This record gives sequence, C-alpha cells and structure tokens, in this order.
Amino acid sequence: DAGVIQSPRHEVTEMGQEVTLRCKPISGHDYLFWYRQTMMRGLELLIYFNNNVPIDDSGMPEDRFSAKMPNASFSTLKIQPSEPRDSAVYFCASSPGTGAFGANVLTFGAGSRLTVL
Amino acid sequence: GIQVEQSPPDLILQEGANSTLRCNFSDSVNNLQWFHQNPWGQLINLFYIPSGTKQNGRLSATTVATERYSLLYISSSQTTDSGVYFCAVIQAGTALIFGKGTTLSVSS
Repeated sequence: DAGVIQSPRHEVTEMGQEVTLRCKPISGHDYLFWYRQTMMRGLELLIYFNNNVPIDDSGMPEDRFSAKMPNASFSTLKIQPSEPRDSAVYFCASSPGTGAFGANVLTFGAGSRLTVL
Repeated sequence: GIQVEQSPPDLILQEGANSTLRCNFSDSVNNLQWFHQNPWGQLINLFYIPSGTKQNGRLSATTVATERYSLLYISSSQTTDSGVYFCAVIQAGTALIFGKGTTLSVSS
C-alpha cells in the first residue's frame, strides 16, 4: 500500500483565498483523522470520520473550516476564507479502527504545509 | 479532557548514549502510541503499547497503565534518532490526543 496520500505538500496563498487540502487514506481503513500542527499549539485534532461519517468535529477552530469525506478513499479539508493564523502543517491519518485488540493504530500522511500571506 | 505530559522537553545526546523519555497521562486510556517525527516532518509510528513492554531493535517501550505512565528507551543512540518523539493516547470514544513532545538531538 502507498500509505496515506496528501496533496498538496506545500501551499502558499494570500489571505482571503480558499484552500482545499486532500487526503487519500489507506484502503480498508475505517477511520480518517485531520490534525493540525503549529509551534504554539502542537498537534491538534480537528475532526475525525468513521466509515465516512464525521464523529467529532469539536476541534474545528471556526466555521471557516469544513471537512468532507464523500467516499471511503477521499477526504477534503477546506478553509474559506483563509487567514495568516491558519498557517500550519495539516496532517491526515487513517486507521483500521477497533479490531480484536481494540486498537486504533494511526498511520499519518506526509502533511500539507500551508502558508497564508 | 485528558492531559498528556512528556519529559524532558529537550534532550541532547552524544552518539552511542542511552536515553529514557517519559509520558504521563491523567486518566485511564485504551490506547497509547509513540511516534517519531523526523527532521523532514514525517510522523512515524514506533509503538502501539497500551500496556506491557515491547522492543524493536534499539528502541523499547513500557507502559504501566495502572500508574498512568509510559517510557520510551533509546539505546546506543544514532544521529538518525534525532527529531521529536510524541506520546499520544486515546480514551474510549475519542481520537489520539498528543503530548507536546520531546525534542532529541544526537550529535556525532
């Protein structure tokens, strides 16, 4: 498997523009997570999905942020309009979910580094 | 919510030295994982270890769930071990919550 695939790897945009980050999870994984990493706040969970359904979006900072998972192999995180404080690395991760061991072992993508000017 | 505290925040080692990183968590957990974030930013899963001890080469980890802590041991450190080590936990019905990490620098 190619792992969790994120695009773009780097995005530079101007304040007010719409940003769309994309994620392809590992095939067969039931859970998908979006995290954001900044120096100040570390790694924060934004939202996660189980079987394409959003389970917990309490980490989404504002209404400017939205996430969708239209099918098991694709998810997007959208920021509209973007602001300089949204600059961060956004990670997508997937996991097989609760198996025999009750495990939720996450595999992360390489991340999308967003810079909003 | 659950608190995850890692220590030390920073660690500087000479190549060949051993080290112990600690993770304390404030409540019972269903899942605990250790990650290494390399200098290129990639997060690599090291261990899934909600309890007990595991070893993988020069790395090993121990979690004492009843006392709410986990330890990551790195033996004979190499420069490629440099990066940030994160502990992350899950309580029932939640997703992974990360600690702030330990930044390790290994010099030759």
